Amino acid sequence: QVHLVESGGGLVKPGGSLRLSCAASGFTFSDYYMTWIRQAPGKGLEWVSYIVGSGTIIYYADSVKGRFTISRDNAKNSLYLQMNSLRAEDTAVYYCARNRGPPGPLTYFEYWGQGTLVTVSS
Amino acid sequence: SYVLSQPPSVSVAPGKTATITCGGNNLGSKGVHWYQQKPGQAPVLVIYYHSDRPSGIPERFSGSTSGNTATLTISRVEAGDEADYYCQVWDSSSEVVFGGGTKLTV
Repeated sequence: QVHLVESGGGLVKPGGSLRLSCAASGFTFSDYYMTWIRQAPGKGLEWVSYIVGSGTIIYYADSVKGRFTISRDNAKNSLYLQMNSLRAEDTAVYYCARNRGPPGPLTYFEYWGQGTLVTVSS
Repeated sequence: SYVLSQPPSVSVAPGKTATITCGGNNLGSKGVHWYQQKPGQAPVLVIYYHSDRPSGIPERFSGSTSGNTATLTISRVEAGDEADYYCQVWDSSSEVVFGGGTKLTV
């Protein structure tokens, strides 16, 4: 069955960097858009970024554009999120999720990982 | 940017019907999807494309959309349904948008 496991979270100082990983299994990874979604403590869900199966099409939320970089390695069935210039407001649980389809009315998330916590604090 | 509005909280007695709304411009023309999130857990998809249920989701969960309002209905509510519920759409100007979430208290 589909399994997504995030890793790489932790405590980082403002202005610092962190790289998150998501290991995928149970499906043909390269066939799917993959997404990062975050949730600040006690807050709602916020979409961060998604990437097409080939890695050639990428979208970012305005809140992270220019600071975060999404990427994937289909040979390793892995999704990544490089986070630079981190701010206190980036503190959140970061989830990777598998898209149902390409951007459009059928863009929803059938499968989610358990999340990894990123804390930005001095 | 596109905005989805949800009531912060809804309360319902066990065995009754819970109704959670999601408001947004011209929702009927978009695909509306709903997630359930229990404390400390990842969200779970409970309704996709307005009214379809993923396998494993009880028939007690249903969805509908008309005009600017989408509705998640939970019939015969159980204690285990207590959770946060989020609506979500895709919009060409904002990509993926989530509602602010509704805390369902049973």
